[in-house]
Amino acid sequence: EAQVTQNPRYLITVTGKKLTVTCSQNMNHEYMSWYRQDPGLGLRQIYYSMNVEVTDKGDVPEGYKVSRKEKRNFPLILESPSPNQTSLYFCASSPQGVKNIQYFGAGTRLSVL
Amino acid sequence: GESVGLHLPTLSVQEGDNSIINCAYSNSASDYFIWYKQESGKGPQFIIDIRSNMDKRQGQRVTVLLNKTVKHLSLQIAATQPGDSAVYFCADFNQAGTALIFGKGTTLSVSS
Repeated sequence: EAQVTQNPRYLITVTGKKLTVTCSQNMNHEYMSWYRQDPGLGLRQIYYSMNVEVTDKGDVPEGYKVSRKEKRNFPLILESPSPNQTSLYFCASSPQGVKNIQYFGAGTRLSVL
Repeated sequence: GESVGLHLPTLSVQEGDNSIINCAYSNSASDYFIWYKQESGKGPQFIIDIRSNMDKRQGQRVTVLLNKTVKHLSLQIAATQPGDSAVYFCADFNQAGTALIFGKGTTLSVSS
């Protein structure tokens, strides 16, 4: 089944404890991105990747890192999480670039205490 | 600036009714729009898209209308079913063409 898989689905952590949210797609898509969804603010892009080894900042990149060492995986890294990073995170992929149908993962709900 | 918004945060309909969800956009250069549906606990799911060289596009039970003169989109759902209950977002793209810009969403509630 074609899908975007995020793990974990739920995570509670404490301030400053490094964490990684994984994202994997099995559709051989070139483009992948991360969004966060907050009440009243909609979805905002954190980082995106046009292809392997090519990543760039979105609208809200502060406090996040990403890597794209292989086409299928695009992990989101929070080196030192803070409470303002408590949010619902979505990974998305598309065949080529952003102006294509984006396929979203089921989401990761993160709470930073 | 770039923004995509929806006119109503909530819409309640009866099963079998037709639903219309509206969206206004501000970027007159936008050339591609997408409607997404987000059910509780799930990620956004593609419903239908439309390019700016079209005024109307139909899918299964859904129709999207685009009025470029007033920068307005609408999503019409025919014979709305309880399974259509979700948050609906319209989306276009930032000027750099690197990110989806989502509106704030309309919550559709369908009662049977």
